[in-house]
Amino acid sequence: AQKVTQAQTEISVVEKEDVTLDCVYETRDTTYYLFWYKQPPSGELVFLIRRNSFDEQNEISGRYSWNFQKSTSSFNFTITASQVVDSAVYFCALTTFSGYALNFGKGTSLLVTP
Amino acid sequence: GAGVSQTPSNKVTEKGKYVELRCDPISGHTALYWYRQSLGQGPEFLIYFQGTGAADDSGLPNDRFFAVRPEGSVSTLKIQRTERGDSAVYLCASRKDGGARTQYFGPGTRLLVL
Repeated sequence: AQKVTQAQTEISVVEKEDVTLDCVYETRDTTYYLFWYKQPPSGELVFLIRRNSFDEQNEISGRYSWNFQKSTSSFNFTITASQVVDSAVYFCALTTFSGYALNFGKGTSLLVTP
Repeated sequence: GAGVSQTPSNKVTEKGKYVELRCDPISGHTALYWYRQSLGQGPEFLIYFQGTGAADDSGLPNDRFFAVRPEGSVSTLKIQRTERGDSAVYLCASRKDGGARTQYFGPGTRLLVL
């Protein structure tokens, strides 16, 4: 079975602060895929990034960066210089090579205040 | 191009009634998924279609829930004898065939059973 844990339920930061959202996963499969999705107040889940288990290279996209560490089964997400528009619920998810469904964590609600 | 669309966006019904929720996937996406999201939780898998057939319906909670995709495009999730506990946001996602595994979500249907 697969499991995704997002221990931070809510985070509140002031604009321009950096913030890291934690994600820890469990799976027995050797090939798997990790995702981050953003769910703004409008409700639609927006895809942010996918990582394959065989590619541990970290990734940066603008103010967003992701740190994938297989040794600690973690896939953390950092927003640099946060903005009010970053306020949303962020979900980490996992699927395996042999499976198809996404297994989601419970999400982290991020509030960025001016 | 157009994303995943879902109708209706909101549905209010009375306990015991029958409801249908519709999903129109991204054109050319052969895989289609239904998820259910309760308040404060991550989406939970219901059913997965590959083409016209349900490849995995292990997430359907009971036999009151049924889904079809007769022509391999639009899908309908059907709930019979609705119960108050069925109130949730029902999300649809689609994915292109191949190894990418990325699912793209629609805006969801908010179902409220009174």
